[in-house]
Amino acid sequence: EAGVTQFPSHSVIEKGQTVTLRCDPISGHDNLYWYRRVMGKEIKFLLHFVKESKQDESGMPNNRFLAERTGGTYSTLKVQPAELEDSGVYFCASSQEGRIPKRDYRYEQYFGPGTRLTVT
Amino acid sequence: AQSVTQPDIHITVSEGASLELRCNYSYGATPYLFWYVQSPGQGLQLLLKYFSGDTLVQGIKGFEAEFKRSQSSFNLRKPSVHWSDAAEYFCAVGAVDDYKLSFGAGTTVTVRA
Repeated sequence: EAGVTQFPSHSVIEKGQTVTLRCDPISGHDNLYWYRRVMGKEIKFLLHFVKESKQDESGMPNNRFLAERTGGTYSTLKVQPAELEDSGVYFCASSQEGRIPKRDYRYEQYFGPGTRLTVT
Repeated sequence: AQSVTQPDIHITVSEGASLELRCNYSYGATPYLFWYVQSPGQGLQLLLKYFSGDTLVQGIKGFEAEFKRSQSSFNLRKPSVHWSDAAEYFCAVGAVDDYKLSFGAGTTVTVRA
């Protein structure tokens, strides 16, 4: 089974430019999450999709960030225009729907390798 | 809101020695708890999880963790580390019906020969 994939692995852009990150979740996973780790800090939640709907976008830092998940498959995260403080590693994760006693699959999130974004 | 503290930024351990990584959480109810590992160049891999029941949970790669409600802790242990265990380890907490995870800052483990 293929894991979560992210593209590109690394992106270097100048302040003011636009960058689009892509995430392909594990096939069949309805839940897709974006997280970000700024240098030396904790990994922070950005948003959560269930299929194509945004379930929770409370972690999105501002309106320069736009996430989409058309058709409920892959997702993109666009940063426009990029600022220096947007530099960091952007992780995507996915999980199944459903729960059984003593286990909730929605929390068992499988992470991709991340996209390292450098804004200069 | 829930939060996680990993008090140790960096730990160095000899190969074959035991390892314990500390994790403390803050949450008003019983949380869901997780440990992830990130090896160089890799994504985060789920080591183990706790939802309820037995407070000692077994994970992959020989790791285990113990949930202690009285101490708000979920420490990760391994009896004998291998050089391949050198990585960064993250503790995470999830609140009931809130599927976003809150992570600690991570602990980097170095294994010396």
